[in-house]
Amino acid sequence: DQQVKQNSPSLSVQEGRISILNCDYTNSMFDYFLWYKKYPAEGPTFLISISSIKDKNEDGRFTVFLNKSAKHLSLHIVPSQPGDSAVYFCAASAHRNSGYSTLTFGKGTMLLVSP
Amino acid sequence: NAGVMQNPRHLVRRRGQEARLRCSPMKGHSHVYWYRQLPEEGLKFMVYLQKENIIDESGMPKERFSAEFPKEGPSILRIQQVVRGDSAAYFCASSPIRDSYNEQFFGPGTRLTVL
Repeated sequence: DQQVKQNSPSLSVQEGRISILNCDYTNSMFDYFLWYKKYPAEGPTFLISISSIKDKNEDGRFTVFLNKSAKHLSLHIVPSQPGDSAVYFCAASAHRNSGYSTLTFGKGTMLLVSP
Repeated sequence: NAGVMQNPRHLVRRRGQEARLRCSPMKGHSHVYWYRQLPEEGLKFMVYLQKENIIDESGMPKERFSAEFPKEGPSILRIQQVVRGDSAAYFCASSPIRDSYNEQFFGPGTRLTVL
């Protein structure tokens, strides 16, 4: 049962345009959401996160939006650059009783930004 | 400050052999997480360890898999009697504090191929 879903395996965007990557989740206990970026042969790198008490978080060219009622979040990259070409993973976390949590990842979306 | 280190980067084993994957966390980090990424899948949580303690192994298969994080030395993920289905990329992440999200730093991964 996939609790975090990224339904688009790939996305192609022209340089300078906006990239929108989507993510849906099913577990209502998730209270923290993260986006990771991954280049081939490297580990994931943290990009941006959002707590469930917010609906938007912005960091430079990257903005994450959270719609709790729809259990949906999205990552906007504007303007997109060729160096943004990578696989983007959406991840979610739910605090456990003992105070820690682990990450549940989606399958990823491969973003290709062409010059 | 060196990042999370994993070795070997690539490991080839025949069915029935043992695989040992090593993870050296970032300096000052005492929390280690192991994730597995099967082909065409997202990363899946396996186990969370602190020094000398397994905190959560709910994502780890009950048989053939074990993990440790000794007082001295790297964290080890051990897979006994490997099968073809164990072929995957294994990532470890480390963090300096117990309940962190964006502060989970990932290593480059070990790609295990079982022949």
